[in-house]
Amino acid sequence: KAGVTQTPRYLIKTRGQQVTLSCSPISGHRSVSWYQQTPGQGLQFLFEYFSETQRNKGNFPGRFSGRQFSNSRSEMNVSTLELGDSALYLCASSLRQGIKYEQYFGPGTRLTVT
Amino acid sequence: QQPVQSPQAVILREGEDAVINCSSSKALYSVHWYRQKHGEAPIFLMILLKGGEQKGHDKISASFNEKKQQSSLYLTASQLSYSGTYFCGTELDTGNQFYFGTGTSLTVIP
Repeated sequence: KAGVTQTPRYLIKTRGQQVTLSCSPISGHRSVSWYQQTPGQGLQFLFEYFSETQRNKGNFPGRFSGRQFSNSRSEMNVSTLELGDSALYLCASSLRQGIKYEQYFGPGTRLTVT
Repeated sequence: QQPVQSPQAVILREGEDAVINCSSSKALYSVHWYRQKHGEAPIFLMILLKGGEQKGHDKISASFNEKKQQSSLYLTASQLSYSGTYFCGTELDTGNQFYFGTGTSLTVIP
């Protein structure tokens, strides 16, 4: 079974631009969660999608948004990029809704904002 | 609400044991443990649900004391492959809020 895939793997953007990251979960998994990882803040939960609906949300500004499609693929969008948005963005998929279940992480998208 | 892990870093020789602690200031429903090697994605280790159960497989086990909002990860007879950063993840009892811990860097040397 193929693992979680994320595209692109690396991205360089300029302040003020917007970016869209993509995540394809493991086949059969319907829950997708997004995380931001930085050296200073560690791993922080962004949001979780299940059945095309956002179910849970972390403490991030509205510039961070996401969506999920009927095939469970998910996208995350960050608008008006700031230097502090530079991070590794990880998505994780799970069989069922809720972060109480084990999650399988993708390799991440490394975003650099200049 | 980010749980605090201790120690921040530990160096072991092969075969030695280690304990990593995760402590939260909020009531917890579940605790997750993950290991992340440098440049790789976190790998799921185990989940412990409210109830104080202990889980384990092979030489890695964990406990969850819900009254103290604490969890401990036990690594016995460590192997070189155990090296990495260990994160606990906590789900609050009040709802679906999930926070990863500060991380513990574990290095096993020959």
